[in-house]
Amino acid sequence: GIQVEQSPPDLILQEGANSTLRCNFSDSVNNLQWFHQNPWGQLINLFYIPSGTKQNGRLSATTVATERYSLLYISSSQTTDSGVYFCAVDPLTDSWGKLQFGAGTQVVVTP
Amino acid sequence: DVKVTQSSRYLVKRTGEKVFLECVQDMDHENMFWYRQDPGLGLRLIYFSYDVKMKEKGDIPEGYSVSREKKERFSLILESASTNQTSMYLCASVSGGSYGYTFGSGTRLTVV
Repeated sequence: GIQVEQSPPDLILQEGANSTLRCNFSDSVNNLQWFHQNPWGQLINLFYIPSGTKQNGRLSATTVATERYSLLYISSSQTTDSGVYFCAVDPLTDSWGKLQFGAGTQVVVTP
Repeated sequence: DVKVTQSSRYLVKRTGEKVFLECVQDMDHENMFWYRQDPGLGLRLIYFSYDVKMKEKGDIPEGYSVSREKKERFSLILESASTNQTSMYLCASVSGGSYGYTFGSGTRLTVV
């Protein structure tokens, strides 16, 4: 099956810093999404981004489908950005909607 | 506000018990999914359903079954709980043709 690799596995940031999270995937996909899981376990969809660039406040994401990677940018980080960030893909060759998740990037933002 | 509700936040069960995890959504979504989350492994798909009384195996169905008798409810069943099923279980739903997944807040199951 498709492989989804996220880097780095862990990230510690000082409040106000910028960072980039990366997601590599091994095969063509129908779509790619980024999720944030807060410290209480709730998963929230951040971006649906099969290709191109999107921005939402201090967060933005870019997917280069032809090169099979996506980047999530966090600018001017805040303590509320702490949590785990997951990349998830819907493989092109599989049943619709079966998201395959990466292992996640654990982000800790310190005051 | 749309919701996916999982019946229990924390559960402790004994080895060999039959365990039911319930998930209810109020968005009239056709598609529902059960994932388990383990450190370093991300989320892995256990079972999913595209319609009432329909179910399909995900990537790790062994030791689990599901039931979908009504559109809004998707139950995960551990037939005989084992310690390696200790995990966080997450339910999600999405409308057909969209990718607006909504996740429940999870059930942290410990099997002792």
